[in-house]
Amino acid sequence: DAGVIQSPRHEVTEMGQEVTLRCKPISGHDYLFWYRQTMMRGLELLIYFNNNVPIDDSGMPEDRFSAKMPNASFSTLKIQPSEPRDSAVYFCASSLGRSIKRFYEQYFGPGTRLTVT
Amino acid sequence: GQQLNQSPQSMFIQEGEDVSMNCTSSSIFNTWLWYKQDPGEGPVLLIALYKAGELTSNGRLTAQFGITRKDSFLNISASIPSDVGIYFCAGQLGAAGNKLTFGGGTRVLVKP
Repeated sequence: DAGVIQSPRHEVTEMGQEVTLRCKPISGHDYLFWYRQTMMRGLELLIYFNNNVPIDDSGMPEDRFSAKMPNASFSTLKIQPSEPRDSAVYFCASSLGRSIKRFYEQYFGPGTRLTVT
Repeated sequence: GQQLNQSPQSMFIQEGEDVSMNCTSSSIFNTWLWYKQDPGEGPVLLIALYKAGELTSNGRLTAQFGITRKDSFLNISASIPSDVGIYFCAGQLGAAGNKLTFGGGTRVLVKP
């Protein structure tokens, strides 16, 4: 079974540039989550989708961040313009939903390590 | 800031030892999960707990949902070198909707 797939695995960019991170959830999963991991703040939920619809984006740090899910098998997280403080590991996760248990059993991708110089 | 306190922050294991770590909070949680993260990888779900007092095992791992709903522990029995990694607890806080709150992690290292 293919797990959650993320690309790229590493991204280095200069301040002010646009960055797009990509995610393919596990086939059949109804929920998709974007997390950010830093040493200072640990793992934080940015946004999550149910059946391609954004449900809670209260964790998105500011307007420079946007996320889309055009179909059940693809999602993007975009940062425009990027800043050095955006440097972190960004994880995508998915879950089956359909019950409270299945919602919380989230399966994470390998992450994208973003460095903004 | 984080509302889950994980301890210890780091620990050394010797092969064959049993180890224990825990997560505490001043708030009540409805769900507890334990994840393990290896370097360069995403967290992997180990155990999920849904009811106060619940005790669940997954191989050499055992976790419990505290009766007060404010804590959880994870035990690893007969540790082996591949148990090295960072273990995270995560919980669904009653007043925080559907979001998971993650602890700061316990880094497990091998004794030199």
